[in-house]
Amino acid sequence: QQQVKQSPQSLIVQKGGIPIINCAYENTAFDYFPWYQQFPGKGPALLIAIRPDVSEKKEGRFTISFNKSAKQFSLHIMDSQPGDSATYFCAATVAAGNKLTFGGGTRVLVKP
Amino acid sequence: ETGVTQSPTHLIKTRGQQVTLRCSSQSGHNTVSWYQQALGQGPQFIFQYYREEENGRGNFPPRFSGLQFPNYSSELNVNALELDDSALYLCASSEGSGSSGEQYFGPGTRLTVT
Repeated sequence: QQQVKQSPQSLIVQKGGIPIINCAYENTAFDYFPWYQQFPGKGPALLIAIRPDVSEKKEGRFTISFNKSAKQFSLHIMDSQPGDSATYFCAATVAAGNKLTFGGGTRVLVKP
Repeated sequence: ETGVTQSPTHLIKTRGQQVTLRCSSQSGHNTVSWYQQALGQGPQFIFQYYREEENGRGNFPPRFSGLQFPNYSSELNVNALELDDSALYLCASSEGSGSSGEQYFGPGTRLTVT
């Protein structure tokens, strides 16, 4: 059972555009939602994370929006750059140190 | 402070063989989690070790087993390899199971089963 659904599977934007990646979850016990960035041949790198008591969090050019009632959250990449081209994964867990349930990933391509 | 390291980087095994993958956790981290990432998919949780004890397991058969050592490094063992075991195996370390510590991933070991 896929408990975290991520969309779209892939995304192409021009430099400076704002890719938006959406995730939906089913388990209401989840209370920690990190996003990871993965480059080919590398392990996932933690980008930014949010808890359900906050509706938005910004770190640099990355913003998470969280809608607890809809059980949805999304990642926005502001002023995207070609170096942001990577696969992005949303995840969820009942506590930050516990097992992560990942979405299927979104491959983002930022064209120069 | 060193990050999470894994060895080997790549491995090719034959169906039916056994394999051992190794992970060194980030300094100060006492929890290691293992994940399997098939090509084009998100990582799937295999199990977690906290202070040398298994602390949660995903939907993987018993031929997937692990160990954690007193220095918090860890091993993943897979017996009777199957073709579907071909994947990137990731370990992640964190400060403590159930704590506020985020999980940080190593570069992974690419296992190919032929």
